[in-house]
Formats: sequence, structure tokens, C-alpha cells
Amino acid sequence: GAGVSQSPRYKVAKRGQDVALRCDPISGHVSLFWYQQALGQGPEFLTYFQNEAQLDKSGLPSDRFFAERPEGSVSTLKIQRTQQEDSAVYLCASSPFRQRANQPQHFGDGTRLSIL
Amino acid sequence: GENVEQHPSTLSVQEGDSAVIKCTYSDSASNYFPWYKQELGKRPQLIIDIRSNVGEKKDQRIAVTLNKTAKHFSLHITETQPEDSAVYFCAASIRTGAGTASKLTFGTGTRLQVTL
Repeated sequence: GAGVSQSPRYKVAKRGQDVALRCDPISGHVSLFWYQQALGQGPEFLTYFQNEAQLDKSGLPSDRFFAERPEGSVSTLKIQRTQQEDSAVYLCASSPFRQRANQPQHFGDGTRLSIL
Repeated sequence: GENVEQHPSTLSVQEGDSAVIKCTYSDSASNYFPWYKQELGKRPQLIIDIRSNVGEKKDQRIAVTLNKTAKHFSLHITETQPEDSAVYFCAASIRTGAGTASKLTFGTGTRLQVTL
């Protein structure tokens, strides 16, 4: 079936604007993760959903970052009042869920966000 | 929290030679260790993973070894080909709690270049 789909692929915004990034996980995947990847670095965890419940948001860098997954499928990452340091690639990953056994996470192509 | 270190940051090998990338982790609760390959501008792709109840796993030209006592794991690519050129990331994930999955903590990446 289809992989993880993210949109838009590229987003340019002026400092101070709000942006919304969308993730369509693999159908049936219960777990959904957002990561931030700065240029030349590994992805860094932002937040995790199991179905519609946000179980871990410890990686969100500030209260300007907000994520939701209201129906347990599509997720949106919103960044308010963007700043230049928010420029990065935002990756979404999904995985099935098995009790007490981490499952492989499958990534989307990401959204490359550039703040001017 | 978990910390993953990865070496080397760059690696150049001739076609047909082997390549080895090493990672160490800090949290003894980690029990799942995937490796991702990321080509420029593309999504991280899972190439192999290993769980803590296994010491070695092989898939064609790719193998991963895990030493739980020393808290390190390695990726081995044999008979390298030009299409193996990419950035490789190791990652670690702690054992899941009841009813939850766990985030991945990534290394900083190794840029592998396979020359003709």
C-alpha cells in the first residue's frame, strides 16, 4: 500500500507567520511520530501519538509548536509565530503497534520548512 | 535520556570493499536498534534492525551486530556498490511501557561514499 505521505513538500514562510504541516500515515498504523531534522543532523523527536492520544510531547521545543491527530489517522503539526531557528525538515513516521515490542517506523519524505 | 553516538562521520571506500559504522548508546533500557539510509532530499529508509535478544542479524550484504554489555552496535556492508552511497543513521529505542511505543534517538549520521 501507500507509504507515509507528507504535505507540503516545501514551505517558505516569513518570520512571525503560522504554518501547518500535514502527515498521512500508512493505513492502519496506530503509532505516529513527528521528528525535526536540521541540516546535516539526525532526526530529533518532537511528539508521539497513539491513535488520537498524544502520549509524549516532550520533544516540542516551545509552546509555539502544537500537534494534533483528532481522528487517529491524519496528523497536523502547527508552528505559530515562526522563527528562523524553526527552519528544518519535519519528518513524520508511522508504525503498527505491538504490546511491549517496538515496531519499525516508516518515514515520509518530510516537509522542508524555510523561514525568511 | 538516551544518547547515541555514531562514528565515523564520513567514510570513503572503494567499490567492492567493506564498510563498518559504529554506534554506542547510553541507556541500558534500550532494546531496539534500527539503521536507516537517507539519500539527499529523500526520506530515511529502514535497511535493517536488531532487538536486544539477538547478537547479530544479516540480510544479504548488510549485517548488524549488537554488544549489550558494551552498549554498542555496528552496521557492516560488504561488497559495497556506488548505490550504497548515502548518509546512514543508527538509532536506539527503549523498551516500551504498557500500551505505548517509544521514540527513536538517532546518531548524528555517517556519510558513506563508495568510489569506483
